Amino acid sequence: GENVEQHPSTLSVQEGDSAVIKCTYSDSASNYFPWYKQELGKGPQLIIDIRSNVGEKKDQRIAVTLNKTAKHFSLHITETQPEDSAVYFCAATGGSTLGRLYFGRGTQLTVWP
Amino acid sequence: EAGVAQSPRYKIIEKRQSVAFWCNPISGHATLYWYQQILGQGPKLLIQFQNNGVVDDSQLPKDRFSAERLKGVDSTLKIQPAKLEDSAVYLCASSLAVELAGPYEQYFGPGTRLTVT
Repeated sequence: GENVEQHPSTLSVQEGDSAVIKCTYSDSASNYFPWYKQELGKGPQLIIDIRSNVGEKKDQRIAVTLNKTAKHFSLHITETQPEDSAVYFCAATGGSTLGRLYFGRGTQLTVWP
Repeated sequence: EAGVAQSPRYKIIEKRQSVAFWCNPISGHATLYWYQQILGQGPKLLIQFQNNGVVDDSQLPKDRFSAERLKGVDSTLKIQPAKLEDSAVYLCASSLAVELAGPYEQYFGPGTRLTVT
């Protein structure tokens, strides 16, 4: 099945700085790459996603880039705010079941005021 | 639009007991997923339904876990008997029907935190 690696596991930044989280995947058949934000005691919340026919997608302060050749994709958060503090997960489809997601282990982002 | 609903939110049981979780997906979402999230890890798929049929249950420990989705809407996940290693958050997610055009966004519920003592 698909194997998704996520780095770093923890990330601390000053408010206003940028944060970058990187993921790699193993299955070249993967075609959908969502990012989720999970706050303590809550379920994962979809914040942005990208499909394999697109190289970059942006939504206000959040952007995702995809390099299919290298099999890696990244989440970029600009002008970070304390409320961005949470665990972020990347995921990728793969395997034989349409829609099944394989998740990375998560990145704990802390934004200091 | 109402989100994915799950209950209970918390459950504490002793090992060898049984437990059941309930999920109500977003209206109109044909695909329903159950994930297990162990502390410090990403969610791991247990079972995927399309309407009331099972699409993928390859990671479901069938000797103790069972799930059903009667009438293609609500779903229940059961563990019997529970083991200590089943302590985790059980997440339900839903999406529009998957098809060859590509997967759709999955939306998660708040989860049920299970503690097995």
